[in-house]
Amino acid sequence: EVQLVESGGGLVNPGGSLRLSCAASGFTFSNAWMSWVRQAPGKGLEWVGRIKSKTDGETTDYAAPVKGRFTILRDDAKNTLYLQMTSLKIEDTAVFYCSTGYYYDSSGYLRPGYWGQGTLVTVSS
Amino acid sequence: DIVMTQSSDSLAVSLGERATINCKSSQSILYSSNNKNYLAWYQQKPGQPPNLLIYCASTRASGVPDRFSGSGSGTDFTLTISSLQAEDVAVYYCHQYYNIPYTFGQGTKLEIK
Repeated sequence: EVQLVESGGGLVNPGGSLRLSCAASGFTFSNAWMSWVRQAPGKGLEWVGRIKSKTDGETTDYAAPVKGRFTILRDDAKNTLYLQMTSLKIEDTAVFYCSTGYYYDSSGYLRPGYWGQGTLVTVSS
Repeated sequence: DIVMTQSSDSLAVSLGERATINCKSSQSILYSSNNKNYLAWYQQKPGQPPNLLIYCASTRASGVPDRFSGSGSGTDFTLTISSLQAEDVAVYYCHQYYNIPYTFGQGTKLEIK
């Protein structure tokens, strides 16, 4: 069974930094492209970014609002995904979800992957 | 960026009736090499992460009741709940995974009339 458990959320001052973690199990983490998605309180879903597998170059892509401030990292030995956040703004307040990204089902159709339960980040003074 | 626009922010339907939610993308999300639309639908209940209902516009995810169906192609898509149940009260999001940055619709809150 796929399990994704996020941690590291909390209260941080504007301009501060925080690192989120996502512990993964139930699948071959090293082969997976992983993503982060966030949701501001009472608002919709926003894709944050993704990291490819090491085999595929471990390259990253980010949404414009976080590019240059957020960094996605992975530790395949620990089956853990990270989101390093710096220069945090009040508008970064959100629940952050870790996701397994997208993969092909048994029929060869590309489908979204699994999500964790999320961790809340509050940016406030 | 591809903008996803859901036709209504909220919708009220009677129990047992059909519910229809529409979603439009600002450009085609049909992948020509396999003729698949990279469009998914999610259901989200309060305090829970989104739950995948439909992918490739019309393929039901495992365990999803068959009263949920998806249709459409190119830029126009529809999620249909054939007979609304009380447990279907939730917010529904469409989502394109054709191009980065992946994007979501603003959400449609479905309630019982």
